[in-house]
Amino acid sequence: AQSVTQLGSHVSVSEGALVLLRCNYSSSVPPYLFWYVQYPNQGLQLLLKYTTGATLVKGINGFEAEFKKSETSFHLTKPSAHMSDAAEYFCAVWNTDKLIFGTGTRLQVFP
Amino acid sequence: DTAVSQTPKYLVTQMGNDKSIKCEQNLGHDTMYWYKQDSKKFLKIMFSYNNKELIINETVPNRFSPKSPDKAHLNLHINSLELGDSAVYFCASSQDSGQGTPLHFGNGTRLTVT
Repeated sequence: AQSVTQLGSHVSVSEGALVLLRCNYSSSVPPYLFWYVQYPNQGLQLLLKYTTGATLVKGINGFEAEFKKSETSFHLTKPSAHMSDAAEYFCAVWNTDKLIFGTGTRLQVFP
Repeated sequence: DTAVSQTPKYLVTQMGNDKSIKCEQNLGHDTMYWYKQDSKKFLKIMFSYNNKELIINETVPNRFSPKSPDKAHLNLHINSLELGDSAVYFCASSQDSGQGTPLHFGNGTRLTVT
């Protein structure tokens, strides 16, 4: 069965600093991977997805993620954090017939 | 032009009561889901329907009964509410049930059982 592990339940960065949120996957078949963001009291919003093709995936709000098969990773990055990026971020993998989520990483951005 | 809408947004009730949450999507999607998010933000799938047919039932207590009157609606009825049912319930939809299809989420219903 496919699964994802998010390393670090909390990440804090200064405004303007690099954002790096880590996600590793476990899958016996080529995975379909997603990143979602959840702002306070809201639902989940799709940031980006990897299905096939280019391993560097660009998403909304300046985020991108790189699929690295050799490292079984799909880390989320953004070159320069903004205060509005503060939220909960979820990595997810499609497992047969359902989307399985990681435990989430809360991103705090300090001025 | 809300894509996936849930009602109510907040639900406070006492143990033993029965309550329902409604969900509607206007995206023309074939598949709809219910997820439960606990106090630690962990998201777990409960049910999914494809064209009104139940395709996933994730060992949820039978106090929870989903109903899909048509493919644009998926409701969740909960009988004999328990304290442990307190959570945020999210409805979602996707174009189909195929792998790699992204889900579109509603804004959630926060259920508090006292």
